[in-house]
Parts: sequence; structure tokens; C-alpha cells
Amino acid sequence: AQTVTQSQPEMSVQEAETVTLSCTYDTSESDYYLFWYKQPPSRQMILVIRQEAYKQQNATENRFSVNFQKAAKSFSLKISDSQLGDAAMYFCAYRSAKWNQGAQKLVFGQGTRLTINP
Amino acid sequence: GAGVSQSPSNKVTEKGKDVELRCDPISGHTALYWYRQRLGQGLEFLIYFQGNSAPDKSGLPSDRFSAERTGESVSTLTIQRTQQEDSAVYLCASSFSPRTGGFLLANYGYTFGSGTRLTVV
Repeated sequence: AQTVTQSQPEMSVQEAETVTLSCTYDTSESDYYLFWYKQPPSRQMILVIRQEAYKQQNATENRFSVNFQKAAKSFSLKISDSQLGDAAMYFCAYRSAKWNQGAQKLVFGQGTRLTINP
Repeated sequence: GAGVSQSPSNKVTEKGKDVELRCDPISGHTALYWYRQRLGQGLEFLIYFQGNSAPDKSGLPSDRFSAERTGESVSTLTIQRTQQEDSAVYLCASSFSPRTGGFLLANYGYTFGSGTRLTVV
């Protein structure tokens, strides 16, 4: 079974600075998807960024980028120019790329609480 | 609807009572998922629906938990004889995952609801 580990329960950063959240995962599969989700106090999970394992190029979405190291099974999220609205819980998640019906679920890490200091 | 809607938003129940949690997915979304999130924890998968069948219910923690779905519409998660350890936020997500002949064609990503916070006292 796949597992996802986030080793930083809490992180804080000054507004406008850069912060990196860590994520490692364990899988025997070669093809899969990795995600970072943001969960504000409203509880709704919001997709921040997605990476396909077969792509070597790291995904970027505006101020958010990832460092995907497939051999090391590492998938960190970098937030540049941090803003107060970035404060939230951040979850790393894994999903198999297999098409069988048992492979459709997301496997989540334990989360990192990010605080932005003004 | 415009998003995934869950009701009630909050539920307080006495230990031993049954509860029903409701999820209205985005119209046209074929797949629906239930997750449980305990305080300060990540999301635990409970069950996955494709249409009104549940091909993966491996995450249901005990036979006190059950779920059903009507067509490609509303789903209800039922917890019988609630226990204090059932206290958590229950999140629902839906996605458009077309299938043909039993084969999944694509999965276009998940949209989550805002969850139901269940407190068992």
C-alpha cells in the first residue's frame, strides 16, 4: 500500500518570504500522480498543484512550484512571496495512475500547518 | 450545482445514536468519494462510488458504517450506534470519471465539499 509522509507538523514564514513544505511517499508503482492541497478554516480542500510522475519537468502554478525527485520519492512544495491568504493546512496526496477501480482514491499525508507572519 | 454540497455542516449526537450525512456532488460527476478527517490528521479514505455502485469500500472502519448513492446523484453516509471515536470531519468529493464497458477513460480531478463536523458526546 502507498503511504505519504509529511514530517513538518507546523511551519511559519514571514510575509513575502519563501517557504518549502516537505513530502515523501512510498510506492512500488512507476506511474502515479502527486498533489498538494490547501485546506483553509472553511475545511474545503483546494487543489494547489499537481504533478504527473512520468513528467520530468517540475510543475509550477504562479507562486507555487514543486521539486519532484522521483528516485528519492520526494515531492516538496515551494511557496514564493508568501501572502497572508496562504495561511492554511497543506496536504500532500498520492493517486495511482492505474485505471482499475480500486486505484482511484487519494492517499493523504498528515498535513503541515502553515502560518504567515505579517 | 456549482460545487459539492454537504449537509449538515455540523452535527452533535449522543453516543449510541445513528447519524446520516449527506453529499450532493456536482451534476454530471460520475465518481464520489467519502473521507474522514480526525482532528489534526490527514484524510482517511472511506468509500468510492462509480455511479451507484461501490467498487472500493475498503476504508469503511467497521460494519457500523455504510453508504449508498442514488444513480449519479446524492450519497448518504450512515453511522450506526455512534461512538466517541467517530468524532471527525467527514468530507465528500466528486469527479467526472467516464467509463465504458467497465473501463475507466479518465479522471478529471476532484472537487471537495466543506464537510460535516460530527461530534459524538
